[in-house]
Amino acid sequence: EPEVTQTPSHQVTQMGQEVILRCVPISNHLYFYWYRQILGQKVEFLVSFYNNEISEKSEIFDDQFSVERPDGSNFTLKIRSTKLEDSAMYFCAGGSGSYEQYFGPGTRLTVT
Amino acid sequence: EDQVTQSPEALRLQEGESSSLNCSYTVSGLRGLFWYRQDPGKGPEFLFTLYSAGEEKEKERLKATLTKKESFLHITAPKPEDSATYLCAVQGSGNTPLVFGKGTRLSVIA
Repeated sequence: EPEVTQTPSHQVTQMGQEVILRCVPISNHLYFYWYRQILGQKVEFLVSFYNNEISEKSEIFDDQFSVERPDGSNFTLKIRSTKLEDSAMYFCAGGSGSYEQYFGPGTRLTVT
Repeated sequence: EDQVTQSPEALRLQEGESSSLNCSYTVSGLRGLFWYRQDPGKGPEFLFTLYSAGEEKEKERLKATLTKKESFLHITAPKPEDSATYLCAVQGSGNTPLVFGKGTRLSVIA
């Protein structure tokens, strides 16, 4: 059964550094999402991506964040200048018809 | 604003002791209500989608039901491997993003 994959599984970075989180969605998915989950808190929506453009974004997704689908298979989330409060699990998700969303295993981002 | 409240926050059951988890929601125009299972340090694993009041879905020991204000996840004769956090999420009309509750952390003791 195809699965969403994410790399790296754990990323440690210093405050102010740029990070790129990578996702390989399931091949027949058309809609792509990034969510984050701060330890002990709710899963929160960051951004949705369809037809090579952002379709919706939350207040969390400010100018420090960007998304790309550079080669038709990978889906990336970039944080330009990380802050301590960006420490969280970041999940990529995908769907074929914007109903069920299938999540990847996540990347744990630790900002020191 | 769409909101999801799950109760209880944590639930401890003996193996075989059936129970229910609650998800109360407010949403403008429900497009779908979703149940996910999340193991520690892992991503949410899709379980069910419910679309309209009165709908029920089953998978092994789990059954999800939906009314106009809440959803229940019934667990029948749970086993230790059912221990996880169960997340409820809603999607409103207009293809809005999923809004999650905090989850119910279920522990099943042998």
